[in-house]
Amino acid sequence: QKEVEQNSGPLSVPEGAIASLNCTYSDRGSQSFFWYRQYSGKSPELIMSIYSNGDKEDGRFTAQLNKASQYVSLLIRDSQPSDSATYLCAVNRGGSYIPTFGRGTSLIVHP
Amino acid sequence: ETGVTQSPTHLIKTRGQQVTLRCSSQSGHNTVSWYQQALGQGPQFIFQYYREEENGRGNFPPRFSGLQFPNYSSELNVNALELDDSALYLCASSFWGASGANVLTFGAGSRLTVL
Repeated sequence: QKEVEQNSGPLSVPEGAIASLNCTYSDRGSQSFFWYRQYSGKSPELIMSIYSNGDKEDGRFTAQLNKASQYVSLLIRDSQPSDSATYLCAVNRGGSYIPTFGRGTSLIVHP
Repeated sequence: ETGVTQSPTHLIKTRGQQVTLRCSSQSGHNTVSWYQQALGQGPQFIFQYYREEENGRGNFPPRFSGLQFPNYSSELNVNALELDDSALYLCASSFWGASGANVLTFGAGSRLTVL
């Protein structure tokens, strides 16, 4: 089992829809969780971080964490074509400050 | 505030050669991490440097080595290049303080092609 798993996609949604991106992780002791966005040919940039169970909202983005299910998700409301990118889930295992990344989910928002 | 800068942006090497990649960390950051990202994959952790010491290492062979300098800049050296070393090499800086390390800020990357 990989430490951080994501469906590689592509996930295709129409403009204005909600995009739901999912990530599972294997280490129950993991404490910190991150979502990065990576445009093609560019480097990852941080969108959200979440550390406790529940939802965290920032503009059109909502991160959801369920430690019991070892599951973290990212919702993008009112998706725009400019949201088309690869979304990387990253997790700090228990006792570590070094994030482990999933392979990323490719999101395509079509007009 | 300056961001993370990497050089060179692109380079081509042949098998068996050696390469050095450079990174200047973001102002105020004291920790540098290096990641390798193959096409279609997520970044894979190579190692991290804090206070000029290696602070963690991923599953990479010893021919991958690094340095951190007193100004917190860093180098990644790869000896005896192999075709599978072709990838985007990402440098990321962060601040390690009393409450631990904060999030990573990535540079634009160095794309290495090994022929």
